[in-house]
Amino acid sequence: GAGVSQSPSNKVTEKGKDVELRCDPISGHTALYWYRQSLGQGLEFLIYFQGNSAPDKSGLPSDRFSAERTGGSVSTLTIQRTQQEDSAVYLCASSSDTGAGNTIYFGEGSWLTVV
Amino acid sequence: DAKTTQPPSMDCAEGRAANLPCNHSTISGNEYVYWYRQIHSQGPQYIIHGLKNNETNEMASLIITEDRKSSTLILPHATLRDTAVYYCPPGRGKYIFGTGTRLKVLA
Repeated sequence: GAGVSQSPSNKVTEKGKDVELRCDPISGHTALYWYRQSLGQGLEFLIYFQGNSAPDKSGLPSDRFSAERTGGSVSTLTIQRTQQEDSAVYLCASSSDTGAGNTIYFGEGSWLTVV
Repeated sequence: DAKTTQPPSMDCAEGRAANLPCNHSTISGNEYVYWYRQIHSQGPQYIIHGLKNNETNEMASLIITEDRKSSTLILPHATLRDTAVYYCPPGRGKYIFGTGTRLKVLA
């Protein structure tokens, strides 16, 4: 596609439910990133996938959060047993990750509201 | 992980140059300096990047110190539409964006 595509764009869920957020990166991009941004806050790194390497999960805030990337393309971020503090916009990005420098392209985000 | 330091906020008069500093003292020799900006809660957008030399494009100029420990993003004639949060994430691989500098351009 022309850019990074995320779905759903908006999601309202009840506390305790599981949610899945999807990211379709730019075709050919080997690196994929997930970030979270709470209202008025900076971007919080969650997880980074690069090719076939093991993902860097160092930013995941708890074991309720997980992500996978199937076939080196589409990624799904799953939040189990959602809590109100999970309410945020979840941003996905991708890059060609050519080494020392690469431009990251972001999607428009998935807005999650936990009620 | 490499870290950067940016002032939390700055104001700039419309039509004047906005100079946004970034300290990246832990940058490695082969890591590029990248700048992005985020308007409201849209996904951050790429502005410019450089390695050692100063760079200029249609959006901005980037000045990198000789020791590469800091850089300055210059918006030569700031407009109201340049009001945004500006980030200079360090490193390679995973990019830590932090809280950036909130630039407010004043009419």
